[in-house]
Amino acid sequence: AQKVTQAQTEISVVEKEDVTLDCVYETRDTTYYLFWYKQPPSGELVFLIRRNSFDEQNEISGRYSWNFQKSTSSFNFTITASQVVDSAVYFCALSVTQGGSEKLVFGKGTKLTVNP
Amino acid sequence: SAVISQKPSRDICQRGTSLTIQCQVDSQVTMMFWYRQQPGQSLTLIATANQGSEATYESGFVIDKFPISRPNLTFSTLTVSNMSPEDSSIYLCSVETSGSYFETDTQYFGPGTRLTVL
Repeated sequence: AQKVTQAQTEISVVEKEDVTLDCVYETRDTTYYLFWYKQPPSGELVFLIRRNSFDEQNEISGRYSWNFQKSTSSFNFTITASQVVDSAVYFCALSVTQGGSEKLVFGKGTKLTVNP
Repeated sequence: SAVISQKPSRDICQRGTSLTIQCQVDSQVTMMFWYRQQPGQSLTLIATANQGSEATYESGFVIDKFPISRPNLTFSTLTVSNMSPEDSSIYLCSVETSGSYFETDTQYFGPGTRLTVL
């Protein structure tokens, strides 16, 4: 099966706390790509990062960082010093190859609430 | 990244009617996708729409219920036909753009259309 599991349904933190969103994936592809998207209350889906399965280097972008570990099939997302504007639903996604085309499989999402 | 717009942004419709959602991109793209997001749920792919060919539907979605048009490389429509309250969802289009990695691209999403069926 090819799927993405985000075990944390909802997380609530106080502003300035660090928070990690977990993502575990399953795939039979040897080459694949992982993504994180943010969906604020307004509803649009905002692309955050794409990671190649061959590149296990951690990525940092401002307060955001991503930890990709193939050994545990995980691609976790950490927000440092969280802010109220970080409140959103965050989706992890996996690209899968079906019928010769690439498709995205999404996890169920983690709703993050950052309280002032 | 591509700039994607959708019309309408939201609508309230009566059971049994149909609604056509438009997706416009500011640049030419090969692949466009339509997703459904039911309340409180994740995204589910409805179909892939390539210009000049029939849309490819995912399991559980049929052309009679969700006809799709893709007349050119910057535009697509999704129609939700004979609507019922179960069709109340956010419908999102996405486009695939080229990234720095070969073969696999990144999908960017439109703002979505919030549909409520009474």
